[in-house]
Amino acid sequence: TQLLEQSPQFLSIQEGENLTVYCNSSSVFSSLQWYRQEPGEGPVLLVTVVTGGEVKKLKRLTFQFGDARKDSSLHITAAQPGDTGLYLCAGAPTDKLIFGTGTRLQVFP
Amino acid sequence: EAGVTQSPTHLIKTRGQQVTLRCSPISGHTSVYWYQQALGLGLQFLLWYDEGEERNRGNFPPRFSGRQFPNYSSELNVNALELEDSALYLCASSSWGTDTQYFGPGTRLTVL
Repeated sequence: TQLLEQSPQFLSIQEGENLTVYCNSSSVFSSLQWYRQEPGEGPVLLVTVVTGGEVKKLKRLTFQFGDARKDSSLHITAAQPGDTGLYLCAGAPTDKLIFGTGTRLQVFP
Repeated sequence: EAGVTQSPTHLIKTRGQQVTLRCSPISGHTSVYWYQQALGLGLQFLLWYDEGEERNRGNFPPRFSGRQFPNYSSELNVNALELEDSALYLCASSSWGTDTQYFGPGTRLTVL
């Protein structure tokens, strides 16, 4: 079974703190995507990383794709309450996109 | 450019009934995917349609079925509804040859 394990599963932090979410697998991915989902809504694509070692920045969010293309990380600098949500990584080792187990982030003012 | 749209937004049914959910992909996208997300759980892959054909199917019983129309819109049908079918049903679309999927807002199905 191909799995994308995310850690931590839950994260509660104060506004202004930094955090990192990890997405790991034993499979190699041609690309990985990160999504953020708010309760009752569909996931919204944040970024797609395609090259091993690639780093992409989206304002306070930094995404990194592992050199071996088996893992990825999402780092948020100076978290804000608006960052609250479920963060999902996703990749397609075969012909089917699989989603990570998710990291639920709560940022308190 | 319009995103993925789904209808209805909410639906309440009783056990044993049948339901049809609809999805319109982003213009130019030929692939449509359906996912089930039960409360507090991850996304479970249901079905993948591309160019009108079912390309892949998740681990769900046959009472979950669907189709894709010539305009690439899609329907998901669920027969003989059970209580555990209560979930957010998400549709996503992608263009041919890419892994990146764009999601609609979902349809919240409640089975009583």
